[in-house]
Amino acid sequence: GQQLNQSPQSMFIQEGEDVSMNCTSSSIFNTWLWYKQDPGEGPVLLIALYKAGELTSNGRLTAQFGITRKDSFLNISASIPSDVGIYFCAGRSSTDSWGKFQFGAGTQVVVTP
Amino acid sequence: GAGVSQSPSNKVTEKGKDVELRCDPISGHTALYWYRQSLGQGLEFLIYFQGNSAPDKSGLPSDRFSAERTGGSVSTLTIQRTQQEDSAVYLCASSPYRSGNTIYFGEGSWLTVV
Repeated sequence: GQQLNQSPQSMFIQEGEDVSMNCTSSSIFNTWLWYKQDPGEGPVLLIALYKAGELTSNGRLTAQFGITRKDSFLNISASIPSDVGIYFCAGRSSTDSWGKFQFGAGTQVVVTP
Repeated sequence: GAGVSQSPSNKVTEKGKDVELRCDPISGHTALYWYRQSLGQGLEFLIYFQGNSAPDKSGLPSDRFSAERTGGSVSTLTIQRTQQEDSAVYLCASSPYRSGNTIYFGEGSWLTVV
């Protein structure tokens, strides 16, 4: 099925470094969601964005809804070992049914001490 | 319940057999979703239920896949005549129906077809 273009596919970083990842879409979205998934568990919602240009923080995480409405960014500052996991973006196109979210392929984050 | 509950958490089945996966959404959530996640892949939309409206089935990969939602709550995803390519994690999620919606996931049902 349709998927967003999420990059990078993986990141290997040292503890304390900042992390950035992004998602792009060919269509205009009206909602962006960012999730983290640990092994063997379901995705957990980190941040939700509903307006173009919106910038929202959740602790060390910051996400932005791109002004073109076709992209979103997630930043993690001062990474720690528990940030390890797969991060997914999800978006809803204004032309899709209300509940139909598309997901990126994920960014695997590995944090080394 | 407090969160989305799925069962079984793991299922191994023989090729050609039918399987049923169950989802119990968060109490009060009117929207329910099924997604499929293959190893190392993102989430693939399967089907979406909203209240009494006709479900959006546009993501079901073949007519071997079907889903029901009884009484606006519990949902069952059925896969008939399973194939090895059906092996994946099947994730259920639910959402309250309101503007600014977000969706909350269960822990998934890991299906292995041998």
